[in-house]
Amino acid sequence: ETGVTQSPTHLIKTRGQQVTLRCSSQSGHNTVSWYQQALGQGPQFIFQYYREEENGRGNFPPRFSGLQFPNYSSELNVNALELDDSALYLCASSLGLAGSTDTQYFGPGTRLTVL
Amino acid sequence: SQQGEEDPQALSIQEGENATMNCSYKTSINNLQWYRQNSGRGLVHLILIRSNEREKHSGRLRVTLDTSKKSSSLLITASRAADTASYFCATEPGTGGFKTIFGAGTRLFVKA
Repeated sequence: ETGVTQSPTHLIKTRGQQVTLRCSSQSGHNTVSWYQQALGQGPQFIFQYYREEENGRGNFPPRFSGLQFPNYSSELNVNALELDDSALYLCASSLGLAGSTDTQYFGPGTRLTVL
Repeated sequence: SQQGEEDPQALSIQEGENATMNCSYKTSINNLQWYRQNSGRGLVHLILIRSNEREKHSGRLRVTLDTSKKSSSLLITASRAADTASYFCATEPGTGGFKTIFGAGTRLFVKA
């Protein structure tokens, strides 16, 4: 158990819809990162938030957006869903900025299926 | 695109044998980390090695880092059936802003 939780566990949406995924970080962790993991692939970095500000972003379009809240929770929002968005979405929290060699603690993930 | 590339893609061994997985990356890094993932669940952090370190141990795990070759290896000694999982290396590039880049992983199967 990493102390990082995600909801929902599974989700089914149709193409064009919007989805919000939620993550609850460990208490005291100021940094949260979100990843997309397609079947059989490694996680792909979407973005990172540090103290409610976006701190880094991977190669994902603007329809992927996020929020981080003062209570150590965060959201990943995806608009205009496409079939290729079907994946496991993982959040990970850490104490401070990565690059300071902080360990990331991953949640169990949300499995999103887009039909 | 993924910076880390693990080799082999899949590995099947008998319980008690050692398992070695390799990772190569493309750019300079601050550190390299190894993670384990069971059956599409969340990742578990195994070990972190900094760019100025060459070898690190943690229990049955041994990690090496060769920055001149841009490669790392993870050795699991005396493997157990419970070690069956996917193993990923992840790097934090030294330039270009923050991001963590994972490889595609090695799928390890340990037969009892």
